[in-house]
Amino acid sequence: SQQGEEDPQALSIQEGENATMNCSYKTSINNLQWYRQNSGRGLVHLILIRSNEREKHSGRLRVTLDTSKKSSSLLITASRAADTASYFCTYGSSNTGKLIFGQGTTLQVKP
Amino acid sequence: DSGVTQTPKHLITATGQRVTLRCSPRSGDLSVYWYQQSLDQGLQFLIQYYNGEERAKGNILERFSAQQFPDLHSELNLSSLELGDSALYFCASSVGPGGNTEAFFGQGTRLTVV
Repeated sequence: SQQGEEDPQALSIQEGENATMNCSYKTSINNLQWYRQNSGRGLVHLILIRSNEREKHSGRLRVTLDTSKKSSSLLITASRAADTASYFCTYGSSNTGKLIFGQGTTLQVKP
Repeated sequence: DSGVTQTPKHLITATGQRVTLRCSPRSGDLSVYWYQQSLDQGLQFLIQYYNGEERAKGNILERFSAQQFPDLHSELNLSSLELGDSALYFCASSVGPGGNTEAFFGQGTRLTVV
């Protein structure tokens, strides 16, 4: 399976706080990706980290990858109410074609 | 705007009917994915096409079928519709065959079966 498992399932924080969510997987990977979904909308790609990278930044997002533990984390710093959304991870392990998402982490940022 | 276009945005139909959902991928993308998202099932991968050929299959029912045409647009056909088929249906596209490049999602088609 190429399904990542996100943790926690739900997270509620105050605006300005940092949010951390995790993703675990079970196979060797070429890369891992994080997506965001606002309620009822399509997923939006946030960041792709390759298996030979350990950390990657994009604006207020920081993604880490630990291939020895088969896990990744997404950190959103100085969160805003607009960050309220569901966050999903997925990954590519070969050219199998599947792009499968887990149940995601639902983040609520309170103003 | 992701560059992926899905039509129609909303669809209401009766049980037993057949509908066709259409997806135009981003310019230059060869892969098209279809997903079903309902409240209790999360985002379910249905099927993927790459450059006109079926590449991967997920939990797609036999009542559902899809194809990708030479111009790379794709259609998802849902037949003998049941109430449980009510969901958001998303299409996504990417340059590569799957998982190794970022995917871009359309805004979805909300299907309501009554």
